[in-house]
Amino acid sequence: KNQVEQSPQSLIILEGKNCTLQCNYTVSPFSNLRWYKQDTGRGPVSLTIMTFSENTKSNGRYTATLDADTKQSSLHITASQLSDSASYICVVSPLYGNNRLAFGKGNQVVVIP
Amino acid sequence: DAGITQSPRYKITETGRQVTLMCHQTWSHSYMFWYRQDLGHGLRLIYYSAAADITDKGEVPDGYVVSRSKTENFPLTLESATRSQTSVYFCASSGHSDRKEETQYFGPGTRLLVL
Repeated sequence: KNQVEQSPQSLIILEGKNCTLQCNYTVSPFSNLRWYKQDTGRGPVSLTIMTFSENTKSNGRYTATLDADTKQSSLHITASQLSDSASYICVVSPLYGNNRLAFGKGNQVVVIP
Repeated sequence: DAGITQSPRYKITETGRQVTLMCHQTWSHSYMFWYRQDLGHGLRLIYYSAAADITDKGEVPDGYVVSRSKTENFPLTLESATRSQTSVYFCASSGHSDRKEETQYFGPGTRLLVL
């Protein structure tokens, strides 16, 4: 069973609109939760990292939230741009052994003009 | 500042051949990782290395061999390629996994097709 589930699998949004991506996880205990952005044909790039004690972290137009009690995280994209078209991957790091990260399958976002 | 690089970027090979994918990082990071990414799956860890001459298996190590004689290099070898190893392979590195906010930096990937 996948320890990190993301929804929706894919979505299309109009340029300038906001969207929210969801991540549910079962990894416990965990050290931190990360969101990565992966452009087509490239490697993932880190957007945010939150420890278990943090509940929000921003990086420009990207805002990640974390609810450790319900084991849910979200990534909110504000005023989307064409360059936001990418896959967004939720990654959870177990408290013991950061080497074995648990990866979600990603949310595929397409921004259209 | 090259960061982390992978070579080749694209590779086509035949079943049964040996293939080596290269990974090089310029940050002197202690940890290095190999992942594969396939449709319908998240990134899956193949092998990782905590330092030179220290390697360990990940989630899907079968059919792969790694070595780390130098801190900056972490080659991945497919000893006898199979069609199921057709995938996109990503190398990553991080400074120190004991730090809670340590991030992994990914290379651009190698797209491997096994015929």
